[in-house]
Amino acid sequence: DTGVSQNPRHKITKRGQNVTFRCDPISEHNRLYWYRQTLGQGPEFLTYFQNEAQLEKSRLLSDRFSAERPKGSFSTLEIQRTEQGDSAMYLCASSRWDRANGYTFGSGTRLTVV
Amino acid sequence: TQLLEQSPQFLSIQEGENLTVYCNSSSVFSSLQWYRQEPGEGPVLLVTVVTGGEVKKLKRLTFQFGDARKDSSLHITAAQPGDTGLYLCAGNNAGNNRKLIWGLGTSLAVNP
Repeated sequence: DTGVSQNPRHKITKRGQNVTFRCDPISEHNRLYWYRQTLGQGPEFLTYFQNEAQLEKSRLLSDRFSAERPKGSFSTLEIQRTEQGDSAMYLCASSRWDRANGYTFGSGTRLTVV
Repeated sequence: TQLLEQSPQFLSIQEGENLTVYCNSSSVFSSLQWYRQEPGEGPVLLVTVVTGGEVKKLKRLTFQFGDARKDSSLHITAAQPGDTGLYLCAGNNAGNNRKLIWGLGTSLAVNP
């Protein structure tokens, strides 16, 4: 297994545009998490899937954000009508159901909204 | 709201020195994890501690979980430039199995 894969690694977009990020977790992990991280801060929880079910969504997430995991494998995170405040590193992580081995993070997608 | 406080926030030391990073909370955690993150990359899990008073060693890194499972420490012996990075602690809430509670991190710079 090659670990958690995120694409793209970097995305520069103009304010108001929509962007979509993809995360491919470790195949035997049924839990998938999206986090956002800004410089000098720890990861900030966005949302969480167990298989294909989205079980929790942070109140920090506005209606412009949506995430899917249609077949319980890869996941996408879409941001509509991007704002400059959306600029951050978006991290995806996966884990086993019991999280015995912790989270495995991808390398992240760095979003810059200009 | 559960919080994990990490200290110090920033640390700059010379190669060969020892250091300790602290992660403290008023809440009890079922387990606690330490991660290391390099610029432009995602965090990488270093260790998970589960039992109160537990000590785990990873080469020059020693991790300790407090007896009451409210705090943890990371001690690095003879730091090397390759240890440079952001060290994050994250706790599992015993009552909420869905997400970790994260500290803000300790940014460590080890100068040659």
